[in-house]
Amino acid sequence: EPEVTQTPSHQVTQMGQEVILRCVPISNHLYFYWYRQILGQKVEFLVSFYNNEISEKSEIFDDQFSVERPDGSNFTLKIRSTKLEDSAMYFCASSDRGHEKLFFGSGTQLSVL
Amino acid sequence: AQSVAQPEDQVNVAEGNPLTVKCTYSVSGNPYLFWYVQYPNRGLQFLLKYITGDNLVKGSYGFEAEFNKSQTSFHLKKPSALVSDSALYFCAVRDMTDSSYKLIFGSGTRLLVRP
Repeated sequence: EPEVTQTPSHQVTQMGQEVILRCVPISNHLYFYWYRQILGQKVEFLVSFYNNEISEKSEIFDDQFSVERPDGSNFTLKIRSTKLEDSAMYFCASSDRGHEKLFFGSGTQLSVL
Repeated sequence: AQSVAQPEDQVNVAEGNPLTVKCTYSVSGNPYLFWYVQYPNRGLQFLLKYITGDNLVKGSYGFEAEFNKSQTSFHLKKPSALVSDSALYFCAVRDMTDSSYKLIFGSGTRLLVRP
């Protein structure tokens, strides 16, 4: 079965630093998402991306966050100035249609010190 | 606002016995409902979905779920549990009448199947 791949699997950074989390969605998918899961808490929606633009974002996705699809394969999440509370597992997902099932990557565990 | 409740943090069942993982939801319109499973160090994997039609939906690995509109529930079931079913299970909902594609997840239920 095709997979969504995420790199790195673990990222440790200092507070205030910029991080970029990378994802390669499934090749024929058109909808892309970032979710995150703080340890012991729910999986939370961050942002959805379609047709080269953000289609929806949550309250969590403030000006410190941005997403980009720099080429035909990668989908990145950038956090400009990390905060302690950004520590979480970040999941990338993709789908071929907006209402259909999502395929998730294995996640990037971000630790902000 | 959309929400999902999974009232049990953990469900314990003996191998071979039936299992149920509970989920209730709240949406303003009609729901799309999903179950996902998460194994250690893995992403969430799709198990099954309800969009419309038959209230009993069948999914991967022998799992099924029953949509109950009057009780706003979508419980996950399996007639005979396997040790390998032990994992974290998430229920999720999307409002069908909403233009949003985001899924709202429950807090997850850990299933432990003992040999």
